[in-house]
Amino acid sequence: AQSVTQLGSHVSVSEGALVLLRCNYSSSVPPYLFWYVQYPNQGLQLLLKYTSAATLVKGINGFEAEFKKSETSFHLTKPSAHMSDAAEYFCAVRGGSGTYKYIFGTGTRLKVLA
Amino acid sequence: NAGVTQTPKFQVLKTGQSMTLQCAQDMNHEYMSWYRQDPGMGLRLIHYSVGAGITDQGEVPNGYNVSRSTTEDFPLRLLSAAPSQTSVYFCASGAGGGETQYFGPGTRLLVL
Repeated sequence: AQSVTQLGSHVSVSEGALVLLRCNYSSSVPPYLFWYVQYPNQGLQLLLKYTSAATLVKGINGFEAEFKKSETSFHLTKPSAHMSDAAEYFCAVRGGSGTYKYIFGTGTRLKVLA
Repeated sequence: NAGVTQTPKFQVLKTGQSMTLQCAQDMNHEYMSWYRQDPGMGLRLIHYSVGAGITDQGEVPNGYNVSRSTTEDFPLRLLSAAPSQTSVYFCASGAGGGETQYFGPGTRLLVL
C-alpha cells in the first residue's frame, strides 16, 4: 500500500529565506514521486517529479527535491522564497510503472512574509 | 489547446438529486482521473481511466460512476447526491501512464 505524509499543514518563511517542505512516503514498489502546487481557486500544477532517474530533481520556479530511499523522503526546497511562492503544495506518490493510482498528501500551505 | 476543461464551475444540488460533472481534454491523453479535494484531506482519487473503455476505482469510489467512451471525455456521475459529497472536484489527464497530470480548474459542488 502506498501512503504520503506531509509534515506541517502550514509553513511560514520570510521572503528570501530557505523554503523546506517535508514529504515522507511508503510504497511497496519503487515509487514515482511528485510535487504539485495549487494557487488559490485554481487546479494543481506539476512542480517536479521523480521517476527513478537522478535522485536530485529540479523543477520549475527554482524548486528542487531530493529522493532519499533510506529515509523514504522527498522533501521540497527552494533557496530563496519569493512572495509569489505563497500557495498550497502537495506531495504525491504513484507505485511505479504499471500502476496508475496516485496518493496525495494532505498539503502544506506556504505563507511568505515580507 | 484548451487543456483540461470542466463544467460546471459551481453547482448546488439537493440531497437525492443526480448530476454529471463534465471533463474534456484536447491533448489526446490516454490517462484521465477524477479527484475530490476536501479541507485537510488533500486530493483523493475517485476513479481513473487508462484509455477509452477502461476505468477503475480509486480510493473513494462509492457514490460515483464513470465511463470513458471517447479519449477526450471522462464524465463523473453522482447518482443520488449526499451532503458528504460536498467538495471541490478536479479532473486531470496525462499521457501514457499519466506521469505528469494536467488538472482542470475544478467544479465546486454543494449538496444541501
